[in-house]
Amino acid sequence: GAGVSQSPRYKVAKRGQDVALRCDPISGHVSLFWYQQALGQGPEFLTYFQNEAQLDKSGLPSDRFFAERPEGSVSTLKIQRTQQEDSAVYLCASSSEGGSSSYNEQFFGPGTRLTVL
Amino acid sequence: AQKITQTQPGMFVQEKEAVTLDCTYDTSDPSYGLFWYKQPSSGEMIFLIYQGSYDQQNATEGRYSLNFQKARKSANLVISASQLGDSAMYFCAMREVNAGNNRKLIWGLGTSLAVNP
Repeated sequence: GAGVSQSPRYKVAKRGQDVALRCDPISGHVSLFWYQQALGQGPEFLTYFQNEAQLDKSGLPSDRFFAERPEGSVSTLKIQRTQQEDSAVYLCASSSEGGSSSYNEQFFGPGTRLTVL
Repeated sequence: AQKITQTQPGMFVQEKEAVTLDCTYDTSDPSYGLFWYKQPSSGEMIFLIYQGSYDQQNATEGRYSLNFQKARKSANLVISASQLGDSAMYFCAMREVNAGNNRKLIWGLGTSLAVNP
């Protein structure tokens, strides 16, 4: 079956522009995660959805970052008034498990590389 | 405090030899899962292997095995019979079960592995 897809793959924005990054999870996956990966770093958690509910947004770095998943499938990460420090790869992951378990294989998309000039 | 520590920024190994990538972790949650992911230069995050905190045996998946030493809080990845295609970044990650609605993965900084022909 199809994996997690993300679009666009690459985005160049001028400082101050708004951007929207899309994630299509694996069909039927309950959980969806957004991570930010700066160059040379490990991913950092941004936010987590279980179906359409955003259960954890503790990793969003500022109120310029907003994520939604209105119908429990596709998710959009929006960044308003982009800054140079927002330049990173934004990874989306989904998993089928929605309950409490230590096993939670997350399947990742290819990422969106955002460059803010 | 950093919860996942990968102390080897870069590693080299000869083709067909085995290599161990180090990972130590810190948690007070008795129930957790440990994951290893591979990230090639193309950027996608590929799941390799999983170890649950209550698993009695070390996990193995093909050429990958996890040397789990719970008392030392270490979860080293062993790659046997290295291949040129194993050249990539390798990330260790952890999920704590009893963290409420928090299902995020906590990541290390990664180890860059280069396989020499």
